[in-house]
Amino acid sequence: QQPVQSPQAVILREGEDAVINCSSSKALYSVHWYRQKHGEAPVFLMILLKGGEQKGHEKISASFNEKKQQSSLYLTASQLSYSGTYFCGTITGANNLFFGTGTRLTVIP
Amino acid sequence: EAQVTQNPRYLITVTGKKLTVTCSQNMNHEYMSWYRQDPGLGLRQIYYSMNVEVTDKGDVPEGYKVSRKEKRNFPLILESPSPNQTSLYFCASSFQRQADTQYFGPGTRLTVL
Repeated sequence: QQPVQSPQAVILREGEDAVINCSSSKALYSVHWYRQKHGEAPVFLMILLKGGEQKGHEKISASFNEKKQQSSLYLTASQLSYSGTYFCGTITGANNLFFGTGTRLTVIP
Repeated sequence: EAQVTQNPRYLITVTGKKLTVTCSQNMNHEYMSWYRQDPGLGLRQIYYSMNVEVTDKGDVPEGYKVSRKEKRNFPLILESPSPNQTSLYFCASSFQRQADTQYFGPGTRLTVL
């Protein structure tokens, strides 16, 4: 039930954009996005709920395609502070939160 | 300050020696859970609790026990640790299970020799 994330890793220059994808084999109730800096705990970024309600981060956006059981996280005009590992977490009918294996994002000057 | 605390932060132990990792939250959250994080595998849920005295298995519960006697505390117990339980452990809490932010503790790095 673990969602699949892609890409596994990406390197950007400051100011460039990135898209991180998350897909599930099961119907999704909600998708969560978290960012983890090295040696730290994951920190909440955004939740996307079935039906379109979205809560989240002011500088990062995301989409949730219920039919395709996919979500994408959009980081625009990346900053050095965006570096870290991004995790999507999905909740299906079983009501447990399963995290993907993560996408390591590195932003260089 | 609203937070989730874990203790200890670092622990080196030997195979078979029982240990407990404590987790406490001060946000009056009903839902708490434990995850382990291993390279390339992401965060995997061990156990979760929807409220006091209500616990259930997550994705990888083998070798672990939990209890929820008080709302704020959710300790993780390894009765007989083995080297394959060497990992980074995170406790998390939230108001609701599905549609709310998970607040993570700082993590406990466990090494079992």
